[in-house]
Amino acid sequence: TQLLEQSPQFLSIQEGENLTVYCNSSSVFSSLQWYRQEPGEGPVLLVTVVTGGEVKKLKRLTFQFGDARKDSSLHITAAQTGDTGLYLCAGAKSGSGTYKYIFGTGTRLKVLA
Amino acid sequence: EAQVTQNPRYLITVTGKKLTVTCSQNMNHEYMSWYRQDPGLGLRQIYYSMNVEATDKGDVPEGYKVSRKEKRNFPLILESPSPNQTSLYFCASSLGTDLFNTGELFFGEGSRLTVL
Repeated sequence: TQLLEQSPQFLSIQEGENLTVYCNSSSVFSSLQWYRQEPGEGPVLLVTVVTGGEVKKLKRLTFQFGDARKDSSLHITAAQTGDTGLYLCAGAKSGSGTYKYIFGTGTRLKVLA
Repeated sequence: EAQVTQNPRYLITVTGKKLTVTCSQNMNHEYMSWYRQDPGLGLRQIYYSMNVEATDKGDVPEGYKVSRKEKRNFPLILESPSPNQTSLYFCASSLGTDLFNTGELFFGEGSRLTVL
């Protein structure tokens, strides 16, 4: 069962454009993380958001956690070719002795020069 | 250097031939887990371990086994591989359950497995 849906699945834009990636779920998560993955490598953490409504900025990247802690967005301002990669959101679910990370379906971003 | 090491990185095998993918971390992490990555499906958790001798099923455990006899190692075992287990596999580790909600997952470089 896929609990986290990301949109869009694919995105191809010109350098300098802005974009937003969405991560939606019907489940509540303890926290939500965003990872970026490059070909031939494992995902690398970009940010963790914990509090509903929380906004975090990482240079040109802005991350927001929904008020109800069910969804999140990633906004990139003035995209650069170095932003190209696969972006994955991951929700942490813990309780009753279980500790799981649920990953989204991924958004493959290509930024063209 | 802090890292998660997986071996082998690439493997082609045949149906039914038992194989093990090893995973080792040097960060003294309590939490370790295995994922498979398939196109359009993202990363799906196979098994995870909260500490030595403590393992639990993820979302897609069928056809896989794991063990956690030492803190640093978490091997993934395919007793009788089938073609539908052809995938890209990732091992990851994190500090521990006390910091589960904010802990960063550190991933290995992946193991690409093909089962003919």
